[in-house]
Amino acid sequence: KAGVTQTPRYLIKTRGQQVTLSCSPISGHRSVSWYQQTPGQGLQFLFEYFSETQRNKGNFPGRFSGRQFSNSRSEMNVSTLELGDSALYLCASSPLPREAHRQPQHFGDGTRLSIL
Amino acid sequence: GENVEQHPSTLSVQEGDSAVIKCTYSDSASNYFPWYKQELGKRPQLIIDIRSNVGEKKDQRIAVTLNKTAKHFSLHITETQPEDSAVYFCAASVGGGKLIFGQGTELSVKP
Repeated sequence: KAGVTQTPRYLIKTRGQQVTLSCSPISGHRSVSWYQQTPGQGLQFLFEYFSETQRNKGNFPGRFSGRQFSNSRSEMNVSTLELGDSALYLCASSPLPREAHRQPQHFGDGTRLSIL
Repeated sequence: GENVEQHPSTLSVQEGDSAVIKCTYSDSASNYFPWYKQELGKRPQLIIDIRSNVGEKKDQRIAVTLNKTAKHFSLHITETQPEDSAVYFCAASVGGGKLIFGQGTELSVKP
């Protein structure tokens, strides 16, 4: 079974631009969560999508948004990029049995975003 | 707010020794506690997890213990090997697919 796939792996942008990152979950997984990883702040939860609906949201500004498609693939978008948005963006997927909140999340390799 | 504290931030042990990493969570509603290992430049990999109705779980050289009353859980690695060197993250689930992570522990196992 293929793992979580994130594209692109690396991205370089300048301040003020916007960016879209993509995540394809493990086949059969319906929940997709996004995290930002930086040396200073560690791993921080951005949001989670299930059945094309945002179920949970972290404490990030509205410049960070996402969506999920009917095939469970997800995208996140960051508008008006700032230098502080430079980070590794990780996507994780999990199946959704009855006790979804207690199911393992499996991570992709991430997208390394650098803002110049 | 929701918070997970993880200690120590760095840990150095000799090969064959044991390593213990401790985490404390703030949200008493948390009921799922995974541990991830992240090697340099790689994705976080789930190594073990525990649910709130269990006090301890073991998988070969790795064990996790949970004390719900104290809101405390720990990772124990026995007979450490150089390939155990990595950053380890604890996390707590506060609902749905939302994990709150600790700040990480950089484990170094010296041969």
